[in-house]
Formats: sequence, structure tokens, C-alpha cells
Amino acid sequence: DAGVIQSPRHEVTEMGQEVTLRCKPISGHDYLFWYRQTMMRGLELLIYFNNNVPIDDSGMPEDRFSAKMPNASFSTLKIQPSEPRDSAVYFCASSSGAGGNTEAFFGQGTRLTVV
Amino acid sequence: GQNIDQPTEMTATEGAIVQINCTYQTSGFNGLFWYQQHAGEAPTFLSYNVLDGLEEKGRFSSFLSRSKGYSYLLLKELQMKDSASYLCAVRDRYGNYQLIWGAGTKLIIKP
Repeated sequence: DAGVIQSPRHEVTEMGQEVTLRCKPISGHDYLFWYRQTMMRGLELLIYFNNNVPIDDSGMPEDRFSAKMPNASFSTLKIQPSEPRDSAVYFCASSSGAGGNTEAFFGQGTRLTVV
Repeated sequence: GQNIDQPTEMTATEGAIVQINCTYQTSGFNGLFWYQQHAGEAPTFLSYNVLDGLEEKGRFSSFLSRSKGYSYLLLKELQMKDSASYLCAVRDRYGNYQLIWGAGTKLIIKP
């Protein structure tokens, strides 16, 4: 398996524009996570899905953020409209199960810069 | 509440040993993870502890004391490639079993 695949790797956009981040989890994994990482706040869980269903979106900062998982092999995180404070690295991760020693496998991340 | 504390930065010498500590507070402890993250890259899994004691995996070992809410990651025979951030994360069964992440410890290895 190629691992978790995210696109794009880098995104530079102007304030107010819509940004869509994409993720392909590892085949067979039933959990998918979206994280945001900044120097100030570290790694923050935004939302996670189980079997394509959103389970907990309490980490989504505000209504400008939305996430979907239309099928088991694809998820998107959308920011509309984007703001400079959204600049961060966004990671997608997937896992098989949620308990015990289940480890999360991370994609390479999308570095978002909003100017 | 939930809280995880790690030192922000540590420096060590190539070939030496370093211990990175992590203390946590959570009501529904269900395991502790250590991840390694090189600059500009994704976090990668290093170790998992759920019972008290030491888990050894090559040059890396991880220790857990549940009664003290304490863990450490021990790195032996340090190599320059070990320069990275080390993230401590705790699984909380009262939080849908999701991981609570520490801010990470940046480890700098000097020749």
C-alpha cells in the first residue's frame, strides 16, 4: 500500500478564497482523521470519520471549515472563506480500529499558506 | 481535564543516551503512544504502552507508570538522524478513544 496520500502538498491562496484539501486513506482502514498542526497549538484533531460517517467534529474551529467522506477511499477538508490564521500544516491520518494499540498512519500533510 | 506535558526542547550528543519525559492527566487512560516527527514530515509511530513497565524496541525504549501519570522515551546510541520532534499522545476512552497530543519535544543532536 502507498500509505495515506494527501494533495496538494503545498497550497498558497489569497484570503477569502476557497481551499480544498484531499486525502486517500490506506485501503481497509475504517477510521480517518483530519489534524491541523501549528507551532503555537501543536497537533489538533479537527474531525474524524468511522466507516465514512463523521463521529466527532468538535475540533473544527468554525463554520468556515467542513469535511466530507463520500466513500471509503476519499475525504476532503474545505475552508471557505480562508483566512491568514488558517495557515498551518493539515494532516490526514487513517487507522484500522480505534482502541488498543491501534496506530494512526499519517499522510505527508498539506502546507497551507493564506496570504 | 486532559493535559499532556513534555519539555519543549532538548539537546544531546551523538552516541549518548537521552530520556524524554511526558506527564499526563486524563480520566479514562487507555494507552500512551510515542511518535517521531522529522521537520517537514509526517509523524510516525514509535511505541505503545498500556501496562506499567518498559517496552524495548532496538535503540528506543518507552516506559509507563499509570499511577504517576508518567512516561518516558529513552533513546540510546544517538545518531544524527534522531534529530526530530517526539510527540507523546494519550488515548482517552472517555473521549471516544481518540488521541490527546502533547506539544512535542524537539530533540537536537550535536556531533
